[in-house]
Amino acid sequence: AQSVTQLDSHVSVSEGTPVLLRCNYSSSYSPSLFWYVQHPNKGLQLLLKYTSAATLVKGINGFEAEFKKSETSFHLTKPSAHMSDAAEYFCVVSDPGNTPLVFGKGTRLSVIA
Amino acid sequence: KAGVTQTPRYLIKTRGQQVTLSCSPISGHRSVSWYQQTPGQGLQFLFEYFSETQRNKGNFPGRFSGRQFSNSRSEMNVSTLELGDSALYLCASSLYSTYEQYFGPGTRLTVT
Repeated sequence: AQSVTQLDSHVSVSEGTPVLLRCNYSSSYSPSLFWYVQHPNKGLQLLLKYTSAATLVKGINGFEAEFKKSETSFHLTKPSAHMSDAAEYFCVVSDPGNTPLVFGKGTRLSVIA
Repeated sequence: KAGVTQTPRYLIKTRGQQVTLSCSPISGHRSVSWYQQTPGQGLQFLFEYFSETQRNKGNFPGRFSGRQFSNSRSEMNVSTLELGDSALYLCASSLYSTYEQYFGPGTRLTVT
């Protein structure tokens, strides 16, 4: 069965500095991988997705993630944090076939002015 | 296109009561999934419906049930509410099961 581990429950960065949110996954197949963001009292918004095409995936709001099969990682990065990036971020894995998505426990990103 | 809508947005119920939550997916989406989100357990998968059939079910007691209608709208029902059912219930729709999912704003259920 697939699983996902978000290595940090909380990350704090200063505005204008880079963001790195770490995610490792486990899957017996070639999975699809996603990052979602949740702002307070809101639903989840899709940031980006990897589906076995290019290993470097660009998403919305300047975020990108790199799929590294050898390291079973899918870390999320952004060159320069903005105050509006403060939110909860979820890494998600999906195996092929009719299997449900599996969510990580989330990483709360704080951005300090 | 209109996004995923969920009604009601907020709900307060008493222990032992039952509740029905509604989800309208994005037009054309045939798969609807439900999740429970709590601070302690995070996001947990409840069930998924595709073309009116339950395709997957998470590890929740039988008090949690759902259905999907021919227009892809979905409802979930929780009977005999317990305090621990207090949570944000999220609905997500997608074209097919393993495609990216689009989430609604959620229904905040409080059980007192």
